[in-house]
Amino acid sequence: KNEVEQSPQNLTAQEGEFITINCSYSVGISALHWLQQHPGGGIVSLFMLSSGKKKHGRLIATINIQEKHSSLHITASHPRDSAVYICAAERNYGGSQGNLIFGKGTKLSVKP
Amino acid sequence: GAVVSQHPSWVICKSGTSVKIECRSLDFQATTMFWYRQFPKQSLMLMATSNEGSKATYEQGVEKDKFLINHASLTLSTLTVTSAHPEDSSFYICSARALAGLADTQYFGPGTRLTVL
Repeated sequence: KNEVEQSPQNLTAQEGEFITINCSYSVGISALHWLQQHPGGGIVSLFMLSSGKKKHGRLIATINIQEKHSSLHITASHPRDSAVYICAAERNYGGSQGNLIFGKGTKLSVKP
Repeated sequence: GAVVSQHPSWVICKSGTSVKIECRSLDFQATTMFWYRQFPKQSLMLMATSNEGSKATYEQGVEKDKFLINHASLTLSTLTVTSAHPEDSSFYICSARALAGLADTQYFGPGTRLTVL
């Protein structure tokens, strides 16, 4: 079992739909990252969470530390949101701050 | 926002040659830079952690003599793939962690696609 699991692996939505991507992890973490990877490969950091909830524009990320679970929500989805969304757990053990364990990603396709 | 660049963005080389990839933080100083590798349809995998002025820390299974990392300054880290072979063909991504003054997160470079013939 992977230390970071994402679901779903693939997601197709119609423009305007509300989207949720889930991430569960089994390791101790200092933070949980949500990243966006476009077809060309470049990665953009969307959120870094250690508790609660963060919002940026149409994107919302939440984390439940007790349940070791995080969600990424996209409201009013748009075709330009089409990308791979990656959850990454930042490990929390001495001397290795910043090391990330990545989920396999969720490929989102938003149809007009 | 913070910007990390990588050069080159893609490279094709013959088997047996060495390839150097640069990672630069353009508008901030990075105490730590990370090098990741991503094979097609797979997750990114951490290869090594690079701290300015000290030796890199390699993840298990990553050959330090094959993947040479130099972090000469607070804005530049280089990864050299020595004696590259076709199995080294992959997408290499670096990230940088800010020294101070920016949100405590990692800023990712655009990646370098290496193809070894």
